[in-house]
Amino acid sequence: DTGVSQDPRHKITKRGQNVTFRCDPISEHNRLYWYRQTLGQGPEFLTYFQNEAQLEKSRLLSDRFSAERPKGSFSTLEIQRTEQGDSAMYLCASSLALAGANVLTFGAGSRLTVL
Amino acid sequence: DAKTTQPNSMESNEEEPVHLPCNHSTISGTDYIHWYRQLPSQGPEYVIHGLTSNVNNRMASLAIAEDRKSSTLILHRATLRDAAVYYCILRHDMRFGAGTRLTVKP
Repeated sequence: DTGVSQDPRHKITKRGQNVTFRCDPISEHNRLYWYRQTLGQGPEFLTYFQNEAQLEKSRLLSDRFSAERPKGSFSTLEIQRTEQGDSAMYLCASSLALAGANVLTFGAGSRLTVL
Repeated sequence: DAKTTQPNSMESNEEEPVHLPCNHSTISGTDYIHWYRQLPSQGPEYVIHGLTSNVNNRMASLAIAEDRKSSTLILHRATLRDAAVYYCILRHDMRFGAGTRLTVKP
């Protein structure tokens, strides 16, 4: 297993366009998290899935953001009608949620630039 | 918002020990404390986690206060490659704060 993969690594788009990011977690991991990170800040929680169920979504997340994890494997994060404020690094992490651990393994991230 | 607080930055000299503190005063009795670090231009990576007892692994040690309201990540001999942002988070929350930016001076 090569870890958590994210695609694309970089995306430049014009304001108002839609973008979609994909995350392929470690195969045996049942949880998948999406975070957003801007320069100088820590990762900001967006949402997480346990298998295919989306269990939590940040209250700060705009309706323009939607995430899916069909069949409990890979996940997609879509941003509709992008705004310049959406420019950030989008990080995906997966974990095997057990009673104690739930250690996150992060991907390298997808950097979004909205012009 | 994150339920942990950390100093914004710390400095260390190479090959000296570093103690990175974290406060988590609202931690519940069953919540694990996790530490991650983020090197420049990379995603965060796991360092260590614990519940009540102090923990050691090849990367670091974790000292947890008896009341569990704070913890300290200990790097026994800092190297230049340890320069990173260090985050402590709680397992039930999984929210990251701004972390502590560690600078290691040669």
